[in-house]
Amino acid sequence: EAQVTQNPRYLITVTGKKLTVTCSQNMNHEYMSWYRQDPGLGLRQIYYSMNVEVTDKGDVPEGYKVSRKEKRNFPLILESPSPNQTSLYFCASSFVPLSSYNEQFFGPGTRLTVL
Amino acid sequence: AQTVTQSQPEMSVQEAETVTLSCTYDTSESDYYLFWYKQPPSRQMILVIRQEAYKQQNATENRFSVNFQKAAKSFSLKISDSQLGDAAMYFCAYGKYNNDMRFGAGTRLTVKP
Repeated sequence: EAQVTQNPRYLITVTGKKLTVTCSQNMNHEYMSWYRQDPGLGLRQIYYSMNVEVTDKGDVPEGYKVSRKEKRNFPLILESPSPNQTSLYFCASSFVPLSSYNEQFFGPGTRLTVL
Repeated sequence: AQTVTQSQPEMSVQEAETVTLSCTYDTSESDYYLFWYKQPPSRQMILVIRQEAYKQQNATENRFSVNFQKAAKSFSLKISDSQLGDAAMYFCAYGKYNNDMRFGAGTRLTVKP
């Protein structure tokens, strides 16, 4: 089954404790992206990657890191989480370029709470 | 930068009735894509319908249709014969060929039995 998986689905942590949210896709997509969803703000892009070893900042990259060492994986790293990073996080992937025949597929989301 | 505006934070509709969700966007591009995503309580993002900017004909998918007004930069979603399962948060999104996507703040739709 074609899918984007994220782990963990739920995470409660404390300020300053490094964490990683994993994202994996099995569709051989070149493009992968991380979004955060906050009430009243919709989804905002954190980082994206057009292919292996190619990553770039989105609209809200501060406090986050990513890496793309393999095509299928795109982990999101919070080196020192803070309470303002409490949010719902989505990973997404798609073929490049966006067209009438492909779309962004989203993972199930990760609910992160930073105390 | 491209922005997407959904001016209706909440909407409600009676079951079997029709409801229209509004979306406007701002861009200087001529070629792009527009999307409506549904997010039910499960939080999964589900693509409902898409529209290519170069197509004049409005997209339809069963009970879902759009009214795409390119000059006005408007992209509304019409849900006909609303069902209880349509209750969800709906996001309007703008996408470019380089996969850059921007989302609106969302409209929460309630369906009353």
